[in-house]
Parts: sequence; C-alpha cells; structure tokens
Amino acid sequence: QKEVEQDPGPLSVPEGAIVSLNCTYSNSAFQYFMWYRQYSRKGPELLMYTYSSGNKEDGRFTAQVDKSSKYISLFIRDSQPSDSATYLCAVGSNDYKLSFGAGTTVTVRA
Amino acid sequence: SAVISQKPSRDICQRGTSLTIQCQVDSQVTMMFWYRQQPGQSLTLIATANQGSEATYESGFVIDKFPISRPNLTFSTLTVSNMSPEDSSIYLCSVETGTVTDTQYFGPGTRLTVL
Repeated sequence: QKEVEQDPGPLSVPEGAIVSLNCTYSNSAFQYFMWYRQYSRKGPELLMYTYSSGNKEDGRFTAQVDKSSKYISLFIRDSQPSDSATYLCAVGSNDYKLSFGAGTTVTVRA
Repeated sequence: SAVISQKPSRDICQRGTSLTIQCQVDSQVTMMFWYRQQPGQSLTLIATANQGSEATYESGFVIDKFPISRPNLTFSTLTVSNMSPEDSSIYLCSVETGTVTDTQYFGPGTRLTVL
C-alpha cells in the first residue's frame, strides 16, 4: 500500500468553477500536510501548509485536513486558467522525509 | 523560502555516460534532498545530503550509481552514473530551510533523456 494515494484525475473545469482535490494517507504518524503546485516543466512550488485538522484558507485556496479519516483536500475557488497545473499532496512526520501523492493535473478552460 | 537553481535544465545523454547535476541555493541550508520524478509518478526521494557528512540513500538507490557531493551549505551535486534509458527522468533538488517543520522548497528540475 502506498503511503499517500491521490485522486489521479485529470480534471478539466470551466473558469470560475470550484476545483476539489483529494488525498488519503495510511500512517497516522504523519503530522504535517502540504500541497504543491507544479507548472509544466517547472519544479513543485509550495502552495499550502498545515499541521492540524480543520480548514486553512489562503485567498482562493482552502486546505482541509481530517486526521481521524486520514484525508486531506485542497479546494480552489473561482478557478482561473492560470491555475492549470499539476497539484501534489505531501505529508511529513517531522523526520524531514516527505511522502508525495502522484499528482492531479488540472485544466481550467477559459 | 529559498531560491534554488539547477544546472543543466535539460540534457540528452548517451547510454553508459555520466551526468553531474548542480544545485545552488541562495541561502545557507542544512538539509538538501535529491528526488526523481518519472512521468505520471510521485516524487521519489533518492538521498539526503547534509554538509559535512555522507549522503543518506533511500532504499533502491546506491552511492555508486548516484554519487552526491555537498561541499558547503549552499551547493550540492548529484551524478547519474553509467546511464541507461531507464534513468530518463526529471531530477529535482530541494531544501528544508528549517523555519517551518518538514517544509521543502524545490529547484526547477533537470530533465534528463538517455538514448
């Protein structure tokens, strides 16, 4: 079993729609949860970071963590064509190693 | 955060040769990491490179194939040795700045094609 499973996508949505991205993880020792955005031919860029259950908002982005279900989500409101990218979830357990999901490719159609 | 650069950005190499990838950070960091990203797959950690000590390799990766140097707190190299087409991948370096636990920042990647 992989440590992190991510909904594979790809997703294609019209501009202005809400994008919902999801991951599950297997090890309850994971305490830190991140979302990275990766544009084509670029390195991953840290988008959101949280370490507690609940919601964390940053502009149009909301990261949600449910530790009891081992489930993490990222919501993008009012999606824009510039949000078209691959989104990677990542989890950590304070031992400096991160486990990544395989990524979900999102296309926002103008 | 940290600004990270990698050289080369891409290369096409012949089977059996070696390529050294450089990673430069704009600030001093203790921990640097090397990842491989194959198409459609998640990032796979190759090794952790701390200045002043030997690199620590993950299961499935060995020093003879992926020698790493870490001469100072802002620079590291990864060599892909005796390459085969299976080594075709994107190689990424990342750093942990230590300001936020477990948060890593990535370089732009090196896209390697082995013929």
